[in-house]
Amino acid sequence: AQTVTQSQPEMSVQEAETVTLSCTYDTSESDYYLFWYKQPPSRQMILVIRQEAYKQQNATENRFSVNFQKAAKSFSLKISDSQLGDAAMYFCAQLGGGAQKLVFGQGTRLTINP
Amino acid sequence: EPEVTQTPSHQVTQMGQEVILRCVPISNHLYFYWYRQILGQKVEFLVSFYNNEISEKSEIFDDQFSVERPDGSNFTLKIRSTKLEDSAMYFCASSPAPFNTEAFFGQGTRLTVV
Repeated sequence: AQTVTQSQPEMSVQEAETVTLSCTYDTSESDYYLFWYKQPPSRQMILVIRQEAYKQQNATENRFSVNFQKAAKSFSLKISDSQLGDAAMYFCAQLGGGAQKLVFGQGTRLTINP
Repeated sequence: EPEVTQTPSHQVTQMGQEVILRCVPISNHLYFYWYRQILGQKVEFLVSFYNNEISEKSEIFDDQFSVERPDGSNFTLKIRSTKLEDSAMYFCASSPAPFNTEAFFGQGTRLTVV
């Protein structure tokens, strides 16, 4: 069974600073995908970034980047130059093993201090 | 930009009543999903649907739940005889393929059972 763990229930960062959100996962599959979703107060789930397990290069989307450590089964999200609009719940999720379902972590609430 | 739309945004129902949550997936997508998020908890997979039948379901998706694609555009989740513990945010999602693409989420329906 796949599991996703986010060990930081809450994080805070000063505006314009950099913050890293942690995520670990467990799977026996070799082919899978990892995602970070953002859930603002409106509660919509918005895709931030995705990573294919077969790719060694870390994914990057503007101010968002990941540190994917396949052997350690770690998938952290780095947000650079934090902005007030980045304040949200962030969920790490995994898709793979032939299953069609996303498995989510518990989420990390990110607060941006002005 | 195409998006998944859900109606209603908020539904209040009495315990024991039936509710139908509606979703319009992105038009060229073939795979459809329902997820649930109880307040303060992680997002949980309920069911995936492809080619007019359920392709995978979780333990949560018992006989109380059913899904249907009544026409070419709508995808519905029916909850029979609602219980207090069914109160949650319900997310519909769709994807063009089941595995190597991310799911696009709707804005969610907040269901409150009283």
